[in-house]
Amino acid sequence: DQQVKQNSPSLSVQEGRISILNCDYTNSMFDYFLWYKKYPAEGPTFLISISSIKDKNEDGRFTVFLNKSAKHLSLHIVPSQPGDSAVYFCAASDGSTLGRLYFGRGTQLTVWP
Amino acid sequence: DVKVTQSSRYLVKRTGEKVFLECVQDMDHENMFWYRQDPGLGLRLIYFSYDVKMKEKGDIPEGYSVSREKKERFSLILESASTNQTSMYLCASSPSGERAYGYTFGSGTRLTVV
Repeated sequence: DQQVKQNSPSLSVQEGRISILNCDYTNSMFDYFLWYKKYPAEGPTFLISISSIKDKNEDGRFTVFLNKSAKHLSLHIVPSQPGDSAVYFCAASDGSTLGRLYFGRGTQLTVWP
Repeated sequence: DVKVTQSSRYLVKRTGEKVFLECVQDMDHENMFWYRQDPGLGLRLIYFSYDVKMKEKGDIPEGYSVSREKKERFSLILESASTNQTSMYLCASSPSGERAYGYTFGSGTRLTVV
């Protein structure tokens, strides 16, 4: 059973607008959350993370929000650029199995000019 | 530049062949992982290792085995390749105790079994 869920397989946004990617989780023991970005024929690359003791973390155009009571996190990209077009994976860790991450199925973001 | 290197970008193998996928990391990381990525299914964990000669099954270990004889190298073995093992295989590594940055992934091996 999936413990990390990304319910939107795809998202299309105009350049310059905000992209919001969502992620839900079921395991209340998760205490670290990460977002990865993946281009075709490449491995995923780390984008941004957040600890469960925080509710927001920013890095340039990327902001991750965490709502622990709802078991929900989101990634905001402002402003969106065509180079942001990729698959975005949400991941979570409970720290118990030596750093193992649990991944969602990914959301394909397309940013059009 | 630190990296995880997978030996092949593309492989084509025949059904029944024994297949070796190699992964090497130069970051002195303790943990190493093998995932496969399939459309609509995301990243699924096959095996992982937290130390030399140690291995743990992930969520889909059937049909696979692994070997970790040296800290920097983690090999995935398909004992008898089947067409349902056609996939993108991703190797990753991470240091013990560092969780803010997660894994470093290799570029992947696209395996086709015919």
